[in-house]
Amino acid sequence: AQTVTQSQPEMSVQEAETVTLSCTYDTSESDYYLFWYKQPPSRQMILVIRQEAYKQQNATENRFSVNFQKAAKSFSLKISDSQLGDAAMYFCAYRSAFLGGSNYKLTFGKGTLLTVNP
Amino acid sequence: GAVVSQHPSWVICKSGTSVKIECRSLDFQATTMFWYRQFPKQSLMLMATSNEGSKATYEQGVEKDKFLINHASLTLSTLTVTSAHPEDSSFYICSATGGGWTQYFGPGTRLLVL
Repeated sequence: AQTVTQSQPEMSVQEAETVTLSCTYDTSESDYYLFWYKQPPSRQMILVIRQEAYKQQNATENRFSVNFQKAAKSFSLKISDSQLGDAAMYFCAYRSAFLGGSNYKLTFGKGTLLTVNP
Repeated sequence: GAVVSQHPSWVICKSGTSVKIECRSLDFQATTMFWYRQFPKQSLMLMATSNEGSKATYEQGVEKDKFLINHASLTLSTLTVTSAHPEDSSFYICSATGGGWTQYFGPGTRLLVL
């Protein structure tokens, strides 16, 4: 079974600064997807970024980028130019690339609560 | 983007009653839907996976008779909490996928059992 570990329960960053959230995972599969989701106080889950394991290039979405290290099974999220609206719980998630039924399910880490200080 | 709705967003019920929560995909056909439970400041715990027209697959430790899931159409899945008790109070979230890598989440339902 796959596991996802987020070792930082809480992090804080000053507005306009950069912060990195850590995530490690364990799997025996060779092909999979990794995601970062954001859950603001409204509790609506919002997809921030995704990475396909077969791609060596790190994914980037505006101020959000990842550092994907497949051999180390590490998938960190970097938030640049942090904004007050980035304050939220961030979850790292894993999904098998094999299609069908329960393979679509996401395995989540425990989350990192990010505080952005003005 | 694709939208998933949940109804109701808030529900308060008396202990011993049953509560039904609906999850709808508004602009796509959801071949697979998922139901999660989330306690305050904790992660999402997958309860079950449901495919349209077939029985749901429950995660280990989730009571099938307590949490009834029905995925009768490609746009609707329901979760019924039967004989609810205070310990069932939680935040319930559904998500849906049309078969691709994207999983779209509903806004969640807060259940309070008195």
